[in-house]
This record gives sequence, structure tokens and C-alpha cells, in this order.
Amino acid sequence: GDSVTQMEGPVTLSEEAFLTINCTYTATGYPSLFWYVQYPGEGLQLLLKATKADDKGSNKGFEATYRKETTSFHLEKGSVQVSDSAVYFCALSDFSNFGNEKLTFGTGTRLTIIP
Amino acid sequence: DAGVTQSPTHLIKTRGQQVTLRCSPKSGHDTVSWYQQALGQGPQFIFQYYEEEERQRGNFPDRFSGHQFPNYSSELNVNALLLGDSALYLCASSGQREKLFFGSGTQLSVL
Repeated sequence: GDSVTQMEGPVTLSEEAFLTINCTYTATGYPSLFWYVQYPGEGLQLLLKATKADDKGSNKGFEATYRKETTSFHLEKGSVQVSDSAVYFCALSDFSNFGNEKLTFGTGTRLTIIP
Repeated sequence: DAGVTQSPTHLIKTRGQQVTLRCSPKSGHDTVSWYQQALGQGPQFIFQYYEEEERQRGNFPDRFSGHQFPNYSSELNVNALLLGDSALYLCASSGQREKLFFGSGTQLSVL
């Protein structure tokens, strides 16, 4: 079945450091790929997505590129801020026949940014 | 727009009891999905409801059941609670081919 493997945390960085969180996937077919973020006490929020190979998703300075050849979707940001502290989840979806997403998530990576 | 609302926010039950969690989808959304997020883990898909029918189901036992009402709101029921059912239960709503919107979840503790 479908699965997502992401870099284990926690990850602690200083403000303005470069961030990479690795994510690889296993799927049949051609899934869409996502990064979700979860702030303390809140639900999941979509950070960015890519729906086909070589697509780059971007939002709030974060980027990730859908790499079919390496089955990866690594999250990057050039200069992190304290407000980026959260748990980040990589996920994939197979729209199947219904047209609505069923997501398979990784285990999450807790990111803490130190001023 | 209120987004996806879930109730209650926190719940404590004992083993063997039954629990009902509730979800109101975002305005305009007709599909509701439920996820279980155990501590330190990613959310796992339980099931999805559309037009008051269960449309997809993940690898969860029959103790987990649900319902969708004509106004698209939904309930998740769990019977014969086990300690391992302690988790954050997330509801997500969507429209056709639209992204999912998640609620803040119900934290269930089973003692």
C-alpha cells in the first residue's frame, strides 16, 4: 500500500538557518504530494502541494519539488523564523475513483526555531 | 466562515465505554473524512462520508462507525473503547476536487 517516510525529529535550528526536511514515498499510480503544518492546539493546515512530477509547490518561503525518479518531496526554506516552529507532515493522496482526497501521512517532524 | 468545527474539544472515557464525536463541515463542503492521530504519529484515515454513505474506509475495526446527516455534518462513534483508542480525532471536509480543511480535533483519553 501507499506509505510516506519522513525525517525523524525533533529538529532544532537557529533563526535564519536553512531548513530541509526529507520525505520519500511509496505509491502505486501517480499521487499528489503535500506538506501540512500543525501549530500547537490547532488542526492541520495545508502548506503546499504538487500534483505531478517536477512540479514545485511553494508558500510562505517554503518550497518542495515532486521528484518521481527519487520518489521524494523534500521541504526546504532558506531562512527560518521563530514563527515556523511547528510539526510538519508530508502526505500523499490518491484521488482514486471518487475525486476526493484520502491522505496518507508520514509520522511528522517537530521543528523548533531558537531566536 | 466558521471552517470545520468539532465537538467536544476534550473527552475522557473509561475502557469499554462508547463515545460519539461530532463534526460540522466548512460551508459548501459535502464530504467529511475522519482521521485518528495517535501521540507522536501522523494522522491515519478512518473513513469518509459522502451523500450520507460511507464511501471509503481505512484499516480500522468495526468498532469505529460513523454517520453523515442531510446537512453534511457527521458523527464518529467508537464502541468498546480500548486504551489504544486514546488519540486526537480530526475531521476534515472538502468539496469536489477541493483541498481538505481540517478541524482542530477532539482529544480523546481512555482510562
